[in-house]
Order: sequence, then structure tokens, then C-alpha cells
Amino acid sequence: DQQVKQNSPSLSVQEGRISILNCDYTNSMFDYFLWYKKYPAEGPTFLISISSIKDKNEDGRFTVFLNKSAKHLSLHIVPSQPGDSAVYFCAAIPTGNTPLVFGKGTRLSVIA
Amino acid sequence: GAGVSQSPSNKVTEKGKDVELRCDPISGHTALYWYRQRLGQGLEFLIYFQGNSAPDKSGLPSDRFSAERTGESVSTLTIQRTQQEDSAVYLCASSFNRGRGYGYTFGSGTRLTVV
Repeated sequence: DQQVKQNSPSLSVQEGRISILNCDYTNSMFDYFLWYKKYPAEGPTFLISISSIKDKNEDGRFTVFLNKSAKHLSLHIVPSQPGDSAVYFCAAIPTGNTPLVFGKGTRLSVIA
Repeated sequence: GAGVSQSPSNKVTEKGKDVELRCDPISGHTALYWYRQRLGQGLEFLIYFQGNSAPDKSGLPSDRFSAERTGESVSTLTIQRTQQEDSAVYLCASSFNRGRGYGYTFGSGTRLTVV
């Protein structure tokens, strides 16, 4: 039973355009959400996070939006660059000291 | 060290053999996690250590899997009598306590292939 769902396994975007990666979750106890980026043969690296008390968090070209009523979050990358090509994982954590729950990931390809 | 170190980076083993994977967390990180990623799947939680507390083993898929951690240092994940479905990349991560602000720092993983 997937509590964090990334329904698009892959996404292709042209350089300079906006990339939008989506994530849905089912557990209403999740109160903190994170995006990780993973290059081949490397471990995932933290990208950006958002608390459930916010609906938007921005860091440079990366913005995460949270819609709690829809249990949906999205990561926007603008403008997209070829170096952004990677697998992006959505992750969530419930209240309490428990491990992150990850989605299956979306492979982003930014085409020059 | 500066990051989370995992060894070996690659391991090919015959079905039925035991394997041991090692993780060296960032110094001072009290929490340590093991995840695995099988082909086409997401990151699957296996086990979690927090300081001297009893580990959370709720993600271990069978009793062939076990892990140890001494204090706040190195952890080893042991898989006994390996099966082909154990083939995956095994990832270790560490964090300060809950690590909620910055998430986890992951190692590069051990790619395990059971033939």
C-alpha cells in the first residue's frame, strides 16, 4: 500500500521551460514533505522541503507547493536546465520520530 | 568523514550465500537508516537506529535480514541465504536526531546482485 505516490515514472522537458513533478499522499498524519534528487550511482540528495503549515516554499529555481486538502504536492523547476536531469523522489514524514516514506520517483530529462 | 560511506559499492553473490553490507554514518549523527531500491521501485524502508534506543525493524522483509549498530557508529546489514529477489541497491542514510530540517544524508549505496 503506497502512502506516497508519484504516478509519472518519467517526464521530458525542454531546457528553459518549467518542469512540474507531482506527488500524492494518502496518510493524513504526514506533516512534513521533502524532495530528493538522485543521479545514477549516487545516493539521493536533499533538495527542498515544506511543512504542512505552509502551502509554498521557494529556493532559487525550485518551488514546492502543498495542497493539504487534496493531499497533493508538486515541485516546480524553472527554468529547467540539463543538469536537472535526474530521478526525483517525493518523501513524507508523520509526526513523531519515524523514518521517511518515499515515492517511486520520477525520472526527469531536460533536453537541450 | 564528510559523508556517509558504504561498502562494498558492488557485490555479486551466489544464491544461498550470506552477505554483509557496511555503513559508516556522518560523525555525530545519532540516527541511521537502511533503505533498499529494487529495480523499478521506490525506496523501501528496512530498519532505523536512533541512539541507544531499540531499533525499528518494522521494514525488514524477512528474518533473513538483520542489522546491527554499535553506539552511534558503523552499522552492518546482514542478509542470510540470499535470494534473487534480494537483488537491489541498499542505501544507508544518517541524520541528526529527527533530521526533519534537512532530511537525511545518503551514502552512494551497495548494489547487490544475487545470481
